[in-house]
Amino acid sequence: DARVTQTPRHKVTEMGQEVTMRCQPILGHNTVFWYRQTMMQGLELLAYFRNRAPLDDSGMPKDRFSAEMPDATLATLKIQPSEPRDSAVYFCASGSGQGGFGYSNQPQHFGDGTRLSIL
Amino acid sequence: AQTVTQSQPEMSVQEAETVTLSCTYDTSESDYYLFWYKQPPSRQMILVIRQEAYKQQNATENRFSVNFQKAAKSFSLKISDSQLGDAAMYFCASNQGGSEKLVFGKGTKLTVNP
Repeated sequence: DARVTQTPRHKVTEMGQEVTMRCQPILGHNTVFWYRQTMMQGLELLAYFRNRAPLDDSGMPKDRFSAEMPDATLATLKIQPSEPRDSAVYFCASGSGQGGFGYSNQPQHFGDGTRLSIL
Repeated sequence: AQTVTQSQPEMSVQEAETVTLSCTYDTSESDYYLFWYKQPPSRQMILVIRQEAYKQQNATENRFSVNFQKAAKSFSLKISDSQLGDAAMYFCASNQGGSEKLVFGKGTKLTVNP
């Protein structure tokens, strides 16, 4: 079965360090989503892309977070500088969005997540 | 903003019995999609079932079925013949504002007792 691949699976680092999380979407999927999961807030959408173009990053703290898609097979989420409150599980998901007017009827497929701990 | 509410933080069921997880949502859209995702301790988010709002027929996937009440904005998940492997967090979700963005509920932790 095709799967979304996220690396690393776990990351522990000290406050102030740069953190980069990577995601390889399912081949052929053209939409990529980044979510953050915490006990308090649950699952929150941070940003999403269609055909590598950012469509919405309103859920992302702009001063320290950045999301990019250097190519169709790689999406990255960076935090610089990291803070303890960034500790969470970060999920990447991909789907086959139809774009244009309307929305995809294809479900999002999630990776296994990156558990990030900022000390 | 669109909201999804799961009023049951925890539920338990005996193996082989049936359990229903509740979900309500709020949207101004006339057409949208609803999903149930399962998150076992392994952390992976697994799609269980999805419902298209314009379809009146309730979706079913083997032992999983939904009771979709559009007027009431209710989307409950029924698990029949519960198995130990069904133990997990279950999240209800809806796409937001006619886009592909998903809004998730806070989740329901399901325990299956042998």
